[in-house]
Amino acid sequence: DAGVTQSPTHLIKTRGQQVTLRCSPKSGHDTVSWYQQALGQGPQFIFQYYEEEERQRGNFPDRFSGHQFPNYSSELNVNALLLGDSALYLCASTKNRGNTEAFFGQGTRLTVV
Amino acid sequence: DAKTTQPPSMDCAEGRAANLPCNHSTISGNEYVYWYRQIHSQGPQYIIHGLKNNETNEMASLIITEDRKSSTLILPHATLRDTAVYYCIVRATGANSKLTFGKGITLSVRP
Repeated sequence: DAGVTQSPTHLIKTRGQQVTLRCSPKSGHDTVSWYQQALGQGPQFIFQYYEEEERQRGNFPDRFSGHQFPNYSSELNVNALLLGDSALYLCASTKNRGNTEAFFGQGTRLTVV
Repeated sequence: DAKTTQPPSMDCAEGRAANLPCNHSTISGNEYVYWYRQIHSQGPQYIIHGLKNNETNEMASLIITEDRKSSTLILPHATLRDTAVYYCIVRATGANSKLTFGKGITLSVRP
């Protein structure tokens, strides 16, 4: 059983560019959340998708947007990249029903230069 | 903001029990205590969670005080592979509730 998979694993972008990160949830999971983890800090919640809609959002600007597809996979898009967007981006999946734990992917390391 | 406080770091000897404390004095009645850990450069890994009773699984034990204002994660026989950042998180019930991470506690297991 594949767990949560994220792609790419590493990415280098230039300030001002746009980036798209991808996530496939664990089999049987229908809810996807995205987190940003700066160096030395704990992960910070960006937003959550369920039934192809954004259900919750953390304190992140509109430059951060997402999408969920009918197969439950998800994308995180960041526009107009800033140096401060350099971080590890983590995807977590859960089942909507029940009090189940979240499974995390290995993350995408984004470096903005 | 995270509703938990943890010391920044601790260490223990390999083979000994590691007891990781967490304070959550403002926890609400419908909130669970979750523990995750993050080994360097990997995604967080779920360990255990509980509401008010002590819990045990193959990885660890969770002891929650009767007033639910603090808890302790116990790794009964720590190994070098248990070296990681451990996060204590208070989370409302329901899969749609987000995880609010603090800085966690860095556990170093020494040989």
